[in-house]
Amino acid sequence: GNSVTQMEGPVTLSEEAFLTINCTYTATGYPSLFWYVQYPGEGLQLLLKATKADDKGSNKGFEATYRKETTSFHLEKGSVQVSDSAVYFCALSPFAGGGNKLTFGTGTQLKVEL
Amino acid sequence: EAGVAQSPRYKIIEKRQSVAFWCNPISGHATLYWYQQILGQGPKLLIQFQNNGVVDDSQLPKDRFSAERLKGVDSTLKIQPAKLEDSAVYLCASSSRLSKNIQYFGAGTRLSVL
Repeated sequence: GNSVTQMEGPVTLSEEAFLTINCTYTATGYPSLFWYVQYPGEGLQLLLKATKADDKGSNKGFEATYRKETTSFHLEKGSVQVSDSAVYFCALSPFAGGGNKLTFGTGTQLKVEL
Repeated sequence: EAGVAQSPRYKIIEKRQSVAFWCNPISGHATLYWYQQILGQGPKLLIQFQNNGVVDDSQLPKDRFSAERLKGVDSTLKIQPAKLEDSAVYLCASSSRLSKNIQYFGAGTRLSVL
C-alpha cells in the first residue's frame, strides 16, 4: 500500500536558519506529492505540490522537488521566520490529478525561535 | 470564498455515548472527505463522497461510525457508541475539478471521549 515517512520532530531552529524536513514515500504508479501546514488552532493548508517527477513545488519561500529515483520530496526553506512555526505534513495522492484520498506522514513540528 | 465549515469545534462525551459532527464544504465542491487525526499521527481518511455517493469507505469502522451527505452538499459524521480510542480531531475537506482537485480542509472538531 501507499505510505509516507517523514522525519520526527520537534525541529527547533533559530530565526534565519536553513530548514530541511525529510519526506520519503512508497507508492505504485505516479502519485502526486504535497506538503500541508497546520498552524496552531487551524486546519490543514496546502503549502505546495508536485504532480510529476522532477517537478519543483514552491510557495512562501518553501520548496520541494519530486525525486522519483529516491522516492523523496524533502521540504526546504533558506531562512525561516518565527511565523513559520507549525506542524508540516507530507502527503501523497495516488493519481497524477490529485483527486483522491491523501495518505499523510505523521507530521513534523517546527519551532522557530528568535 | 468561504472555506470549509465544521461544527462543533470541541466535544467532550463519555464512552458509549453518541456524537455527531457537521461539515459544510466549499460551495460547488463535489467531493467531500472525512479524516480522523489521532494525536501525534497524520490524518487518516475515513470516507470520501462524490456528490451524495460514497467513493471510498474502506477505513470507516462501520459497526460504530456512519456518515451521510444528503443532497450532495452538507455532511454529517456520527459515532455510536463512542470508545476511548475515538478521541481525535475529525477533519472535513472538499475538492473540485475546477480547483484542480486540491483538498481544502476545515478547522476540525476535537473529540474527547472520557
